[in-house]
Amino acid sequence: DTGVSQNPRHKITKRGQNVTFRCDPISEHNRLYWYRQTLGQGPEFLTYFQNEAQLEKSRLLSDRFSAERPKGSFSTLEIQRTEQGDSAMYLCASSLARRQGGVSGANVLTFGAGSRLTVL
Amino acid sequence: AQSVTQLDSQVPVFEEAPVELRCNYSSSVSVYLFWYVQYPNQGLQLLLKYLSGSTLVESINGFEAEFNKSQTSFHLRKPSVHISDTAEYFCAVSRSGAGSYQLTFGKGTKLSVIP
Repeated sequence: DTGVSQNPRHKITKRGQNVTFRCDPISEHNRLYWYRQTLGQGPEFLTYFQNEAQLEKSRLLSDRFSAERPKGSFSTLEIQRTEQGDSAMYLCASSLARRQGGVSGANVLTFGAGSRLTVL
Repeated sequence: AQSVTQLDSQVPVFEEAPVELRCNYSSSVSVYLFWYVQYPNQGLQLLLKYLSGSTLVESINGFEAEFNKSQTSFHLRKPSVHISDTAEYFCAVSRSGAGSYQLTFGKGTKLSVIP
C-alpha cells in the first residue's frame, strides 16, 4: 500500500476556471476526508465520505465546491469559477472507521501530500 | 464545537536541548487528542494520539505528550531534539465516539533545531 495519493500536486489556474483534484485513499479505508490549509493556518475540515455516502458537507466553503466518491474508492474535489481566495493546499485523508461494542471508534487519519492550488 | 490553541507559532531550539510545544484545547464533550508533524514538502503524519487510558503517550522517535484534563492541555515534549525534528507540528482534537470524524487543528508550531 502506497498511502494516500493526491493529484495533481500543483495546479495553477486563472480566476474563473474550474479545477478538479483527485484523491486515492488507502484501499481498505472506508472513510475519506477533504481539508483545506491556507498559509499560516492549520487544516480546516471541508467534507467526508463513508464509503460512497457523503455524510457531512455543511463545511464546504460555498456552492462552488463539490466532492464526489462515486464507487466508494477514489474521490474528486471540484471548485467551479475559482477565485483568488481559493488559493490553498487541499488535503485528502482516509481512515478505517470501526464500530466497537456498538460505538464508533476513534478515527486515525492518514493524510496525502496535498494538492496546491494557485489562482491568478 | 472544539477549538485548539497552539501558543507558540515558532520555537527555535539548539540541537540536543529539550523542547516543549504547547497545546490547549476547548471542548464541552470528551475528546481525542492528536499531534501531527509536517516536514517540508510532505503531508501531515500522525506523531502520537491520546484516545483513552494512560494520560502519557509516546511516539517511536522520542516525543511524548501528556493529556491534562483539568488544564485542558496536551503539550508535546522531547528531552533532546535532533536536526531532523525540524518541522511544523499541529495539535488536533476531535469529539470522542460517534462524532470523531472531524479533526479541529491548531495553527501549528514551527520547530527549528539549530546546530
